[in-house]
Amino acid sequence: AQSVTQLDSQVPVFEEAPVELRCNYSSSVSVYLFWYVQYPNQGLQLLLKYLSGSTLVKGINGFEAEFNKSQTSFHLRKPSVHISDTAEYFCAVKGGTSYGKLTFGQGTILTVHP
Amino acid sequence: DTAVSQTPKYLVTQMGNDKSIKCEQNLGHDTMYWYKQDSKKFLKIMFSYNNKELIINETVPNRFSPKSPDKAHLNLHINSLELGDSAVYFCASSAQGDTEAFFGQGTRLTVV
Repeated sequence: AQSVTQLDSQVPVFEEAPVELRCNYSSSVSVYLFWYVQYPNQGLQLLLKYLSGSTLVKGINGFEAEFNKSQTSFHLRKPSVHISDTAEYFCAVKGGTSYGKLTFGQGTILTVHP
Repeated sequence: DTAVSQTPKYLVTQMGNDKSIKCEQNLGHDTMYWYKQDSKKFLKIMFSYNNKELIINETVPNRFSPKSPDKAHLNLHINSLELGDSAVYFCASSAQGDTEAFFGQGTRLTVV
């Protein structure tokens, strides 16, 4: 069984400040890791994914995440946020099968203040 | 062109009614999913179909019945709707052997 824990339910930051959204996972098999973003009243959009290889993954909109196997973490970072980054962010894990379901964390609401 | 489209976007209905949500994907994917997002925004898988066959059924009441007439469509029918069914339902799809899932815009179901 897999589980995902997002350590912060809400993260308020000021515009142009750096941000880190934390995600820890547990799994008995090798996994793929994802970050999705959900803007108000919209669907989920993939920000980035870790499948294998380099542990630092770059995504859209200037976001990046680092896979840390020993700490079972996949934290999302952005060096300078914009007002438009205000949204809810979901970390997700998928077991190493083609048909594997996505298991999501509880979500982190990022609010960027001017 | 919308990759994964769901209809309707909003659905308000009374308890006890039967309703359907439709989902279509034009990505040529083999696998489709239904996820439920509750009032606390928690997302949980309900069903997964691969090539029209059910492969994941996650402890969902049997009032919920998915139907996949072909690879590009996965509809969700709900019988005898209850207040607790109020949620946002997301359809998603992915290619076989691929790991990324593409999501629809969601259907907000409100049972009154």
